[in-house]
Amino acid sequence: DAGITQSPRYKITETGRQVTLMCHQTWSHSYMFWYRQDLGHGLRLIYYSAAADITDKGEVPDGYVVSRSKTENFPLTLESATRSQTSVYFCASSEQGTDTQYFGPGTRLTVL
Amino acid sequence: AQRVTQPEKLLSVFKGAPVELKCNYSYSGSPELFWYVQYSRQRLQLLLRHISRESIKGFTADLNKGETSFHLKKPFAQEEDSAMYYCALLTGRRALTFGSGTRLQVQP
Repeated sequence: DAGITQSPRYKITETGRQVTLMCHQTWSHSYMFWYRQDLGHGLRLIYYSAAADITDKGEVPDGYVVSRSKTENFPLTLESATRSQTSVYFCASSEQGTDTQYFGPGTRLTVL
Repeated sequence: AQRVTQPEKLLSVFKGAPVELKCNYSYSGSPELFWYVQYSRQRLQLLLRHISRESIKGFTADLNKGETSFHLKKPFAQEEDSAMYYCALLTGRRALTFGSGTRLQVQP
């Protein structure tokens, strides 16, 4: 499903630095989501967006900021990275009125 | 609050053996449940949803509201079924609450 892409695929950063993870989808899906995947926790919702300029917190939003100025993009920013934010981050999208979410390939982030 | 529990981290079976991946949920509303699968080096993808009551790749799952369960079953496992399986619950805001996942290993 090349329709949803994430960049970078791998990122190493240091504690305290700002990092932005990009998510882009070509389907014009209304809903977009950010999840983090950690061993023993499965995937947990960080933020989601129902449409451009509409975002809301998920289960684990602390330390993250999102924006959605365009339907196709949903960047996730770690304002001041911490080691506990080392994780694999998945972006997903879904069309309004449907329940299937389509996932990006993930970004593996390591915070040293 | 909603919760999805997958009690087994790893399930190892031999090819041709039956498979049952367990999933229990807690949700105050009417549940919509899914199984997602992640094969090695591939993206997470939808396997099946309880509403459609379909069989995908030989897998089925029945929602049991009395036991609050949505176990995934397949009568005869194949090696290509080896993957990470996640049970997920759709919340009112259209996001998914995932279980912690079960890794299925099918040995030859």
